[in-house]
Amino acid sequence: EAGVVQSPRYKIIEKKQPVAFWCNPISGHNTLYWYRQNLGQGPELLIRYENEEAVDDSQLPKDRFSAERLKGVDSTLKIQPAELGDSAVYLCASSLGLKGGTDTQYFGPGTRLTVL
Amino acid sequence: AQSVAQPEDQVNVAEGNPLTVKCTYSVSGNPYLFWYVQYPNRGLQFLLKYITGDNLVKGSYGFEAEFNKSQTSFHLKKPSALVSDSALYFCAVRDIRTGNNRKLIWGLGTSLAVNP
Repeated sequence: EAGVVQSPRYKIIEKKQPVAFWCNPISGHNTLYWYRQNLGQGPELLIRYENEEAVDDSQLPKDRFSAERLKGVDSTLKIQPAELGDSAVYLCASSLGLKGGTDTQYFGPGTRLTVL
Repeated sequence: AQSVAQPEDQVNVAEGNPLTVKCTYSVSGNPYLFWYVQYPNRGLQFLLKYITGDNLVKGSYGFEAEFNKSQTSFHLKKPSALVSDSALYFCAVRDIRTGNNRKLIWGLGTSLAVNP
């Protein structure tokens, strides 16, 4: 079974430029998550989708970040414009979306973003 | 407030010796507990979880963890460490009362170094 796929794996951009990350979750997983992970820290949830609906985006900096999950499968996270402080690893995860929250989140390899 | 603590930033152990990576948690209700491992430049890999039942949970790569409700701990263990176990380990908790929101609270991670 294929895992969570993310692309690109690495991205280097100059500040004020836009950038987009793509995620393909595990087949059949209804819930999709975008996290940001800074060096030496745990993941920070940015947004969670249940199918195509964003049900938790309280930590997403909405002035510059946007996300979409059209058709409830693939998702794209965008930053426009990027700032130096956005340099981090952006992780996508997916889970079955079991009632009660017992499901396990499975992570992709991440996209390492460097903003110069 | 819900929280997870990993009291050791780094753990060093000799190959072949048993290892323990500590995790304590604080939630209002009963917890769902998870351990993930992160190898350099890789995403987070699920190791094991405690939902209910037997307090000793067995997971991937020979790891196990023991849920101790009285001590609010969920320490990760392995009887005999391998050099290839060297990685960053994260503990996470989800409050069972809010399980449907699927939000995980993450520890800051513990770096495990297994010396040959």
